[in-house]
Amino acid sequence: QSALTQPASVSGSPGQSITISCTGTSSDVGSYSLVSWYQHHPGKAPKLMIYEVNKRPSGASNRFSGSKSGNTASLTISGLQPEDESDYYCCSYAGVTTFVFGTGTKVTVL
Amino acid sequence: QVQLQESGPGLVKPSQTLSLTCTVSGDSISSGNYYCNWIRQPAGMGLEWIGRFYGGGSTNYNPSLKSRVTISADMSKNQFSLKLYSVTAADTALYYCARGTPSVTGAFDIWGQGTMVTVSS
Repeated sequence: QSALTQPASVSGSPGQSITISCTGTSSDVGSYSLVSWYQHHPGKAPKLMIYEVNKRPSGASNRFSGSKSGNTASLTISGLQPEDESDYYCCSYAGVTTFVFGTGTKVTVL
Repeated sequence: QVQLQESGPGLVKPSQTLSLTCTVSGDSISSGNYYCNWIRQPAGMGLEWIGRFYGGGSTNYNPSLKSRVTISADMSKNQFSLKLYSVTAADTALYYCARGTPSVTGAFDIWGQGTMVTVSS
């Protein structure tokens, strides 16, 4: 299966809100509410920020929220802060007990 | 707290077998409903799910790698392992182990720091 499509980069000023899209197909994002999002600082372990489309695990900031419409999932970061500057990846269950990740988005805080 | 740590050779020759181990501390992989995943990231590229071991003996693999992969676990050592056969330069990547549990369905809530594996003669 093909990787989910994310914008290569998204930027915003401190305090602003940004949204990262994650586009898949009717075989993955469109069929399952099992989309997760990860924050990945290079050299560190990825951190789970959102699971099951819009649920936050303990330890994840409430400035992060997720949603899904059709074949596209989205991650919104509200009140952007310098420490949010990182790479972000979406992931979806793709049926037949397999998972597919997104292409990754670099978030820059201006 | 729960921690995962990958280990294994950093250099593997083409056509040989890549073998990595993930050691889990702070939790027991035999506690049930524990999904042991391997995920990799080639340099400059995105993440790729390789496969998982769970339920004491069940496995699922990425269809693109299925013919070359085996994931297994040693419950007595609280470790799980990845074997990738007949490697090529395309298998050069940062390899992560990651936990999945029913509390975060379809997600990976704890990851190791990753270990770099280079395939080169």
